[in-house]
Amino acid sequence: EPEVTQTPSHQVTQMGQEVILRCVPISNHLYFYWYRQILGQKVEFLVSFYNNEISEKSEIFDDQFSVERPDGSNFTLKIRSTKLEDSAMYFCASSGGYEQYFGPGTRLTVT
Amino acid sequence: QQQVKQSPQSLIVQKGGIPIINCAYENTAFDYFPWYQQFPGKGPALLIAIRPDVSEKKEGRFTISFNKSAKQFSLHIMDSQPGDSATYFCAARTGGGNKLTFGTGTQLKVEL
Repeated sequence: EPEVTQTPSHQVTQMGQEVILRCVPISNHLYFYWYRQILGQKVEFLVSFYNNEISEKSEIFDDQFSVERPDGSNFTLKIRSTKLEDSAMYFCASSGGYEQYFGPGTRLTVT
Repeated sequence: QQQVKQSPQSLIVQKGGIPIINCAYENTAFDYFPWYQQFPGKGPALLIAIRPDVSEKKEGRFTISFNKSAKQFSLHIMDSQPGDSATYFCAARTGGGNKLTFGTGTQLKVEL
């Protein structure tokens, strides 16, 4: 069964550093998303991406965040200058229609 | 208005019992309501979903009941098993960017 994959599973970085989180969506899906989940809290929408552009973004997704689909298979989330409060699980999701399928997540720890 | 309110926060049932998790929303622009199951350290897994033109949907042991006029929907798990112990999130979709707004989650424990 096709699934969304994410790398790395865990990323530790120092405050102010740039990080890139990578995702490989399900191959025939056209819609891509990033969500985050702070430990013990609900899942929060960050951004959706379709046809090589951002469809919608949340207030969390400020100028420090960017997304890119650099080739036909990868979808990336870049945080330019990480803050302590960026520590969370980051989930990539993809969909071909209404149903969104999530990856296993990347745990980002900012020290 | 964008919130989805979920209750209870936690729930303990005996094996074979029928846990019920409830969600309520205000935004009438929501047009699709999925439920996700999440185990510790894993991503949310899509369990079952419903659209507002249907009042009930069953898939295996999982049933969604949907009350459009009350703006409420609930998940019922029939014949619950210890393996169902997980956190369950309801969510609601808005069009445009397909954004999902999640509820706060319910930690379910099914005891033997």
